[in-house]
This record gives sequence, structure tokens and C-alpha cells, in this order.
Amino acid sequence: KAGVTQTPRYLIKTRGQQVTLSCSPISGHRSVSWYQQTPGQGLQFLFEYFSETQRNKGNFPGRFSGRQFSNSRSEMNVSTLELGDSALYLCASSFGLAGSNEQFFGPGTRLTVL
Amino acid sequence: SQQGEEDPQALSIQEGENATMNCSYKTSINNLQWYRQNSGRGLVHLILIRSNEREKHSGRLRVTLDTSKKSSSLLITASRAADTASYFCATDDWGGSTLGRLYFGRGTQLTVWP
Repeated sequence: KAGVTQTPRYLIKTRGQQVTLSCSPISGHRSVSWYQQTPGQGLQFLFEYFSETQRNKGNFPGRFSGRQFSNSRSEMNVSTLELGDSALYLCASSFGLAGSNEQFFGPGTRLTVL
Repeated sequence: SQQGEEDPQALSIQEGENATMNCSYKTSINNLQWYRQNSGRGLVHLILIRSNEREKHSGRLRVTLDTSKKSSSLLITASRAADTASYFCATDDWGGSTLGRLYFGRGTQLTVWP
């Protein structure tokens, strides 16, 4: 089975722009979770989607949004980028809910905001 | 919140020695997971231990869980330089309002010197 893929791998944007990141889960997996990782805050949960429904959301402003398509692929969008949004964005998929199942992580998208 | 805490934050040992990392959490869990992350990469799942289990082994890894103390430990025996990575524990929030979500700690940075 192919692993979790994330595109793009690296991204450089400027403040005020918006960005869309994509995640393709392992075939058959219905749950996709997104995390933001920074040296200062560690791994921060953004949201989890299961069968196209957002099940959980972390404490991030409304500039962070996401969605999941019928084929389980997921996208997250960050609007009006700020310098503090520079981070490694990780997505993870699992067959069932994230809390009860092994998570398979993608390699991440490294976002740099200038 | 449920977020776990790993201890120590950093651990430095010689090849061949054992490495022990601890994790504490706050609320009831259904299961606890350990993950490993090589620098700047995605996380890799190591072990999932359920709340009714006390110990689990996988190769050179041994995980224990003490639900009465709300703590877990990860032991890596006969460490190798290739074990150098960050190790994270993650828990669910059993019975809480965020069932299905996975909570990660801040990690233990393990360095194994050849």
C-alpha cells in the first residue's frame, strides 16, 4: 500500500497570502487528522475528519480550515498568513477514529511565511 | 486538557545502553500510543497499548502502562545510534467531549552516541 502523501513538501509564502495543503491518506482509511508542529509549541492538533465530517477541532483561529472529500483526501487552508504560521504541517490517516487506532503520518509540508 | 507530558525532555546515552522514557497524562484513557520522529520527518507509530493491558513488547521496545498512576514508560533496550529521534506519547480522551482525538505530548529527544 502506498503511504500517506502530502503536497507540496515545501512552500514559501508571504504574510497576508493564503495557502492550501493537500493530504492523500492510505487507501481505505477514513480518518484524516492535521497537526501543526513548531519548535516552541510542539505538536498542535488542528482538526480531524472522518467520512467527510469534521469530528474534532483544535484551538486555532478561523483562518485555519479544512475539508475532506468523498475519496478521503483532505485539504487544509490557511488564509491571511502570519509569520507565526511557519511550521511543519503533518497529516495522519487511520482506518477508524484517530484516538483508537494507529496513525500513519505523511512526511509533512514545511511552510515558511516571510 | 488531556495532553500528556514526557519525561525527560532530553536523554543522551551510549550505544548498547537502555533508554527509558516516561509519559504522564491527566484523564481516563482507552489506549495510549508511542510514536517516533526523526528530525523534520513524519511520525512513525511504535506501539499501541490498551487500558486493560499492563505491558507490551515489540522487538527491542517494551511499553508499560499504569492507569492508576496515569503513566506509561517506553524502554528501548540495547540502543543504537539509529534510535536517535524524538519520542512522543499520545492518548485518547476516553469519555471526554473530544472522543476520537489523539493528544500528543511534547516529546523526549533521545540521542544515542556511537
